[in-house]
Amino acid sequence: TQLLEQSPQFLSIQEGENLTVYCNSSSVFSSLQWYRQEPGEGPVLLVTVVTGGEVKKLKRLTFQFGDARKDSSLHITAAQPGDTGLYLCAGEGDDKIIFGKGTRLHILP
Amino acid sequence: KAGVTQTPRYLIKTRGQQVTLSCSPISGHRSVSWYQQTPGQGLQFLFEYFSETQRNKGNFPGRFSGRQFSNSRSEMNVSTLELGDSALYLCASSFSGLGVYEQFFGPGTRLTVL
Repeated sequence: TQLLEQSPQFLSIQEGENLTVYCNSSSVFSSLQWYRQEPGEGPVLLVTVVTGGEVKKLKRLTFQFGDARKDSSLHITAAQPGDTGLYLCAGEGDDKIIFGKGTRLHILP
Repeated sequence: KAGVTQTPRYLIKTRGQQVTLSCSPISGHRSVSWYQQTPGQGLQFLFEYFSETQRNKGNFPGRFSGRQFSNSRSEMNVSTLELGDSALYLCASSFSGLGVYEQFFGPGTRLTVL
């Protein structure tokens, strides 16, 4: 069974700080997506990474796919209250998309 | 381009009843997937439909069923509702062509079973 473990589960930091959240698996994925979800809404796709070692930047967010395509990280620089939300990673597995349980991020003003 | 729409947004039912949820995918997308999201279990895959055929299925009981119409719109049905079925039900559409598989989610239907 393919699983994606996300860490930490919860993170509360001050505005302006940097943070990194992780998405790990023992399985290889052909692609990996990161989503952000706000309360009462569906997840919104942030980025897709495909190549091992790939790094993508989206303003203050930096996404990295591990060389072996088993793990990924999301780094946020100078976090802002608008970054608050549930961050989900999802891996494209053998025959379906596998979701991690998410990291709930709260940025304090 | 309009996004994924789901109706209704909120629903309250009692145990034993049945419910039907609807999803309209992004125009041109042929794949629709359904997920159940709860605080404890996170997002759990229910099933995926592509061109009116169920292409993949998660580990849910037979009370959960779905279908897809020729215009790619999809419905999900839950029969004999249980308290544990209370959740946010999300629909996601994708083009499902060759290459990277990306899903775009609707806002969800919040189902409460009393």
